Amino acid sequence: QQQVKQSPQSLIVQKGGISIINCAYENTAFDYFPWYQQFPGKGPALLIAIRPDVSEKKEGRFTISFNKSAKQFSLHIMDSQPGDSATYFCAASRSDTGRRALTFGSGTRLQVQP
Amino acid sequence: DARVTQTPRHKVTEMGQEVTMRCQPILGHNTVFWYRQTMMQGLELLAYFRNRAPLDDSGMPKDRFSAEMPDATLATLKIQPSEPRDSAVYFCASGWTLTGTDTEAFFGQGTRLTVV
Repeated sequence: QQQVKQSPQSLIVQKGGISIINCAYENTAFDYFPWYQQFPGKGPALLIAIRPDVSEKKEGRFTISFNKSAKQFSLHIMDSQPGDSATYFCAASRSDTGRRALTFGSGTRLQVQP
Repeated sequence: DARVTQTPRHKVTEMGQEVTMRCQPILGHNTVFWYRQTMMQGLELLAYFRNRAPLDDSGMPKDRFSAEMPDATLATLKIQPSEPRDSAVYFCASGWTLTGTDTEAFFGQGTRLTVV
């Protein structure tokens, strides 16, 4: 059962453009939504995270938009740079049962062209 | 520079052999996760521990996989016997969890396992 669906699978953006990656979840018990960035040969690293009590969170060039009613959240990378080229994963977890392990989306490979 | 340390980084083994992967969580973290990453399945949770106690290992094939935390500074993931379909990158992650708080998981660099 794929609880977190991520799209697109791959994305090519020109330098300075906006990269947008979308995720949708099924389980309404999820209450923590992080985004991870992974470079080849490295482990995923936390980029930014949001809880459902806010609709948007911004950190530098990275913004999460969250739509609780639609059960969707997205990552926007403003002024995309070649150094942003990596694979991005959305994830979700729930705290009500004490089970805090992350369920990951399938990943988006982002390529920012100079 | 606190980081999760995984050993070995790469492992090639023959089918049927035992494989042991080790993880040293960040000092002071009380939660440890094991994830497996493949092209087909993405990142899958295998097991996780809090305060060294296993909380969830439902993602792990019980007949051949086992995960333990002999002490707070070491987590192990064993596969016996290994099979070609176990070929993947295995990540360990650690974090700090209190009741009612979120866990930010810090990932190690992974162990790339190839079973031939």
